[in-house]
Amino acid sequence: DSGVTQTPKHLITATGQRVTLRCSPRSGDLSVYWYQQSLDQGLQFLIQYYNGEERAKGNILERFSAQQFPDLHSELNLSSLELGDSALYFCASSVEGGLGDTQYFGPGTRLTVL
Amino acid sequence: QKEVEQDPGPLSVPEGAIVSLNCTYSNSAFQYFMWYRQYSRKGPELLMYTYSSGNKEDGRFTAQVDKSSKYISLFIRDSQPSDSATYLCAMRANAGGTSYGKLTFGQGTILTVHP
Repeated sequence: DSGVTQTPKHLITATGQRVTLRCSPRSGDLSVYWYQQSLDQGLQFLIQYYNGEERAKGNILERFSAQQFPDLHSELNLSSLELGDSALYFCASSVEGGLGDTQYFGPGTRLTVL
Repeated sequence: QKEVEQDPGPLSVPEGAIVSLNCTYSNSAFQYFMWYRQYSRKGPELLMYTYSSGNKEDGRFTAQVDKSSKYISLFIRDSQPSDSATYLCAMRANAGGTSYGKLTFGQGTILTVHP
């Protein structure tokens, strides 16, 4: 158990809908990362937050947004969902978000868009 | 062409075998190299972490980085059925900017160790 928690574990929804994925980092970690894992693209970096501020951004779609709250938990919002958004979404956390930091991954949320 | 290439396998070996997993990369800015293990329906778990070139050993696991060839390896000695999982290499550049925290992953190699 990495200490990173994610809810829900599974999510099934329809195209066009909006969902929110939640992540609680390890105790003491200030930085949160979101990744998407699909069969064809593998594990892809979406976005990083550090102590409430956006720090780095990957190829995150405009339909996706995220934020990190004062209590350091983070939410990833996915809207206007398409079939291709079906994937595993992982949250990771690290102490400071520095270049040498180790990222610890949560168990993931499996999103199925029908 | 992907920044990180990893043979997806699958790789099947008998218990006790030495396993060699490899990744190549094209971005010379990569300085931090990691190997993660991912069991089915679980999150990736960090196995090995190396900065720049060289070798690192931890129990049955050895990580090697050859920056001149842009090639990294993970060796597993005396492989066990419990090592059956997907192994992902990951890399991070030694640079800030908009990609500050980004890990770039290989596709993952599926390994099965049979008794």
